[in-house]
Amino acid sequence: GQQVMQIPQYQHVQEGEDFTTYCNSSTTLSNIQWYKQRPGGHPVFLIQLVKSGEVKKQKRLTFQFGEAKKNSSLHITATQTTDVGTYFCAGSPRAGGTSYGKLTFGQGTILTVHP
Amino acid sequence: DAGITQSPRYKITETGRQVTLMCHQTWSHSYMFWYRQDLGHGLRLIYYSAAADITDKGEVPDGYVVSRSKTENFPLTLESATRSQTSVYFCASLSSGNEQYFGPGTRLTVT
Repeated sequence: GQQVMQIPQYQHVQEGEDFTTYCNSSTTLSNIQWYKQRPGGHPVFLIQLVKSGEVKKQKRLTFQFGEAKKNSSLHITATQTTDVGTYFCAGSPRAGGTSYGKLTFGQGTILTVHP
Repeated sequence: DAGITQSPRYKITETGRQVTLMCHQTWSHSYMFWYRQDLGHGLRLIYYSAAADITDKGEVPDGYVVSRSKTENFPLTLESATRSQTSVYFCASLSSGNEQYFGPGTRLTVT
């Protein structure tokens, strides 16, 4: 079955440093989504990428989808303490069939930010 | 209030007991999902439902049963709880924009 690997598992940074987490799928994806989970909270949708090579920005967050639609990254510039949490990528297999809406989540990257 | 809710939020049960976790959403979303979250494994799909009376297995369905008699409710039952089912359980529904909205979670401990 489809596997989505995410690295690193943990990342500790000083406030102001940049942060990147990487996501790789064993199969080509229809789209990839990113979610953030604050400590003790639930996952919250951040963004969806659909097109090959797509790049999207949300303030200090930059999301990329690889040309082959098998990998993705999330980069945070100048981290703040409010960025603390676990970031998950989640891949959706090629569109159609019984896979609609189903996501395979990566293991997540736990980000801690030291003030 | 609109949204997705789960109950109970915390549950402690004994091995062998039956436990039902409730999930309710007010958006009338067709698709709903149950995940379990364990450290090092991320979120793993247990069961999902495309509509009322339509359910299918996810990645880790063994030991769980679901039903969906109404669009807004998607209960998850552990028929005979085991310690390996100690986890945090999240219910989610799928918006028209393909975003999954998650409930607050149920923390289940099986002793």
